[in-house]
Amino acid sequence: AQSVSQHNHHVILSEAASLELGCNYSYGGTVNLFWYVQYPGQHLQLLLKYFSGDPLVKGIKGFEAEFIKSKFSFNLRKPSVQWSDTAEYFCAVDSGGGADGLTFGKGTHLIIQP
Amino acid sequence: NAGVTQTPKFRVLKTGQSMTLLCAQDMNHEYMYWYRQDPGMGLRLIHYSVGEGTTAKGEVPDGYNVSRLKKQNFLLGLESAAPSQTSVYFCASTYFAGQPQHFGDGTRLSIL
Repeated sequence: AQSVSQHNHHVILSEAASLELGCNYSYGGTVNLFWYVQYPGQHLQLLLKYFSGDPLVKGIKGFEAEFIKSKFSFNLRKPSVQWSDTAEYFCAVDSGGGADGLTFGKGTHLIIQP
Repeated sequence: NAGVTQTPKFRVLKTGQSMTLLCAQDMNHEYMYWYRQDPGMGLRLIHYSVGEGTTAKGEVPDGYNVSRLKKQNFLLGLESAAPSQTSVYFCASTYFAGQPQHFGDGTRLSIL
């Protein structure tokens, strides 16, 4: 079965700091990769996705992620975080064509201190 | 255009009671999903549907039943609620397999 690991469960940063959240998955075949964000009290929203092509993908709000196939990784980055980035971030993988849902990591709770 | 709508938003049940959570989407999506979100566990798939009249089990289906009688609706039922089912439940939908899923606002369910 597919598994997704997010290495940082809680991250605290100051505003303007750079961010990198790690995500590794276990499936060795073709995958679709996603990062979702959940702001306090809200539903999950898509930050960015990777299906194929350029392994560096850009998403909303200045976020980007890099797919490294050899490392089974899809790390999320942002060069300068803002207080409004405080949220929970989930990496998710689809390895079965999506019919049987996404496999999510356990999430990273990011707190940005002003 | 409401997207994915879940009702109710909050509910408190006693152990052994039954209830149904409703998910409705107005995007004509074929695929619909029910997840539960627990602290430190991420989201786990309960059941899903690949079209009207179809349902399938996900990772954690025990204690839940689902129905997809209409394309736009996906119901999640708890026949005999247990404290272990205290969670936040999210419904999601997508048109094509593998495409990003659209999530509802969630239902916070407490079982006493």
